[in-house]
Amino acid sequence: DIVMTQSPDSLAVSPGERATINCKSSQSVLYSSNDKNYLAWYQQKPGQPPNLLIYWASTRESGVPDRFSGSGSGTDFTLTISSLQAEDVGTYYCQQYYTTPPTFGQGTKLEIK
Amino acid sequence: QMQLVQSGAEVKKPGASVKVSCKASGYTFMSYYIYWVRQAPGQGLEWMGMINPSSGRTTYAQKFQGRVTMTRDTSTSTVYMELSSLTSDDTAVYYCAREKGVGFSESDAFDIWGQGTMVTVSS
Repeated sequence: DIVMTQSPDSLAVSPGERATINCKSSQSVLYSSNDKNYLAWYQQKPGQPPNLLIYWASTRESGVPDRFSGSGSGTDFTLTISSLQAEDVGTYYCQQYYTTPPTFGQGTKLEIK
Repeated sequence: QMQLVQSGAEVKKPGASVKVSCKASGYTFMSYYIYWVRQAPGQGLEWMGMINPSSGRTTYAQKFQGRVTMTRDTSTSTVYMELSSLTSDDTAVYYCAREKGVGFSESDAFDIWGQGTMVTVSS
């Protein structure tokens, strides 16, 4: 199975500041034949299911604010929130869907400073 | 709107089985994989398996092989996940989720999630 490792485990950022979450996969999730990275990011708030933010490593899901962006390729990926809002508090997960089983990172808890 | 609606919370005794339902609406049920993911209290997300609603074909995580069964009812656009021989380690919220890509040719992210079903295993 591909192991997904996120850093940091928790993060506190002031409103309006940038938040950066990293995700590393134990093997590449880039499929060379179509040049796509099989990597997604989700946000989960307490008592709610995860919500898809980013797929193909950098494509924003419909309705997701443009302050959320994804980057990276191969084994190293980043989720950036350009200007943190109060409603962005929650836990963020990366997920690879390159192979079965799909696997998730352990999560990064984002709080307001 | 497109949604997945799951059955309500369950409390089970060790050794029992639980069956959770996930009803799809607002999209073509037979065209998208449905996955099951669970989350133990305060923990991360764990994939359990998937079902192709068109063919009924399933793939299960090795950890749950022999203990999990996923089925579907095309007449009601509902998928089911049954987990047997429950222990306290199975106490978790169980989610169904739809794979984003239409058809079954390429894997994709999960774009629609059910609200979750809390399963508590306690004597």
